[in-house]
This record gives sequence, C-alpha cells and structure tokens, in this order.
Amino acid sequence: QVQLQESGPGLVKTSETLSLTCTVSGVSITNFYWTWIRQRPGKGLEWVGYIYYTGGDAKYSPSLKSRVSMSVDTSKNQFSLQLTSVTPSDTAFYFCARGGGDYEVDFWGQGTLVTVSS
Amino acid sequence: SYELTQPPSVSVSPGQTAKITCSGEALPKKHVFWYQQRSGRAPALVIYEDTKRPSGIPERFSGSSSGTMAALTITGAQVDDEADYFCYSIDPSGDSWVFGGGTKLTVL
Repeated sequence: QVQLQESGPGLVKTSETLSLTCTVSGVSITNFYWTWIRQRPGKGLEWVGYIYYTGGDAKYSPSLKSRVSMSVDTSKNQFSLQLTSVTPSDTAFYFCARGGGDYEVDFWGQGTLVTVSS
Repeated sequence: SYELTQPPSVSVSPGQTAKITCSGEALPKKHVFWYQQRSGRAPALVIYEDTKRPSGIPERFSGSSSGTMAALTITGAQVDDEADYFCYSIDPSGDSWVFGGGTKLTVL
C-alpha cells in the first residue's frame, strides 16, 4: 500500500532553513502531485504547497511563497520541502501527502514535529 | 485571502446524525474534500469531490454541496467518530488550496 514517511531535523534554529524529505513507498512518485501540509500544535491544518513529479508545476501558499521551495528526486522516490528564514511561528507538525493540482490529497505521512527555537 | 468557514464544534449523542458545514464563496464551482483527524493521528480522507466516499469509509459518512455551502453528514454517529473534521477546497483563482478551520465532533 502507499506509504509516506517524513524525515529531517526536529529542531531548527531561528533564521535558518527547515529542510524535510518525504520518502514514498508502495507507488512510484511519477505521474502524481505531492503536497506538504503543516499543523501548528493544537491548531488547524495549513496548506503549504504542492509539486508535480517533474518539478514543472509547483504552487505555494501565498503567505509562505517568498520562503518556500519544493523539489522531487524520482531516483529516490522522494520529494522535499525547504522553508527559509524560519521563526518560532513555523513550529508545527509537517505532513507530506500524495495529491495536489486538481487532485485530492489521499495518502498522508504520519507527520513530523519541527520546533524552531533560538 | 480565501476562507472556508466551519463551526468550531458539533456535539451529538451516539446514534444521532451529525452534520458539519463548510461555507466558501467558490464552492458553487469547486469541489470540497473532507478529512477526519483523530487525536494524535494524521488526517484521513473521508469524502472527496463533494459526495464520493473512498473505499473503506463507512456508509454512514456522506457529503453534499449546494451553492456556497457543503456539508459532511454522519448518520448514526458512533463514539469512534469523535475527531476533528476539516473541509478542503481550492481558491477561486485555482492557485492555492485552503482548509477550513476545523470542527471538533463530540459523540457522547
């Protein structure tokens, strides 16, 4: 079955770059869109953005657009998120998921907590 | 920025019908998706494209949409259905996706 697993540092310093990778198993990353979503502790879900497997179509949240980028590595069946100049307000659970573009997000990773602190 | 509005909480007794609404100006032209998030877990898709139910989701979950309002209905709610529910749709420009604020469903 389709499985996604986030990985990356659980602690990032203020003003540095948050980098996360999502490893996909059970399905090829090709021919799909891939999405990142975050959830501040105790709060609602926030769409971060999506990327097509070719990297040729990517959309980001307007509120994060100036700081976020995504990439895909088809050889490793992985996709990644980079968020620059982080502040404590970027502390959140980050979920990777399959879907995006005009398609629903159907499979989710378990999420990983990233804490931003000085 | 575009917003989807949900009630913060809904409470029903076991066996009753729970209805969770989601309003947004673009909903007459854009599909709505619904996610269930149990405490400490990742969200799970329960309704897609307004009314469709993924395989494995119980028949008591149904979706509807009319005008600027969509709804998730749980007919005969069970204690196991206690969770946060989020609607999800695309903004009028088609450039970004948005979640509703979430509704905490209590069944007791």
